Amino acid sequence: AQKVTQAQTEISVVEKEDVTLDCVYETRDTTYYLFWYKQPPSGELVFLIRRNSFDEQNEISGRYSWNFQKSTSSFNFTITASQVVDSAVYFCALREEYGNKLVFGAGTILRVKS
Amino acid sequence: GAGVSQSPRYKVAKRGQDVALRCDPISGHVSLFWYQQALGQGPEFLTYFQNEAQLDKSGLPSDRFFAERPEGSVSTLKIQRTQQEDSAVYLCASSLRHISPDTQYFGPGTRLTVL
Repeated sequence: AQKVTQAQTEISVVEKEDVTLDCVYETRDTTYYLFWYKQPPSGELVFLIRRNSFDEQNEISGRYSWNFQKSTSSFNFTITASQVVDSAVYFCALREEYGNKLVFGAGTILRVKS
Repeated sequence: GAGVSQSPRYKVAKRGQDVALRCDPISGHVSLFWYQQALGQGPEFLTYFQNEAQLDKSGLPSDRFFAERPEGSVSTLKIQRTQQEDSAVYLCASSLRHISPDTQYFGPGTRLTVL
């Protein structure tokens, strides 16, 4: 069965601090896809990144970076020099190769204070 | 271009009423998904369409929930005889193709409150 665990319910940081959001997943498939979405107070889920299971290369996009490690079934998300606008709920999600649905974690609330 | 749109954004219903929630996917997107998000939780899958065909409805919680996409574009999620436990945000998503790697793009959701 598929499962995504985001153990951190809520994180508070001060602006300019770095913060890492953890994501651990479970799947029996050898091919799968991992996603991160941001949900600001407006409610819309905003796509951030997709990672294929066969590509373990880490990725950096501006202040965002992602660390994918198959050995520990983790796909962690780091924000460098956080800003108030980063305050949101962040969701990690998994989709299996032949599956239709995204399976989401419970989300991590990030609060960045000025 | 326009993203996924949903209407209404907010809906208040009395217990026992029927409601209909609308989703306009991104133009040309083949796949359409409905998710339910309870307060403080991650979205949970309800149902999936490929064009007009409903290929997976395994997540629909009861036979009071019904979804359709008759012309392969706009979709409607209908909930009959609403109950308080139906209160949630209903999210619609679409993707260009029907294959797994495709990213799902989400709408703003409809917040349903059942009194």
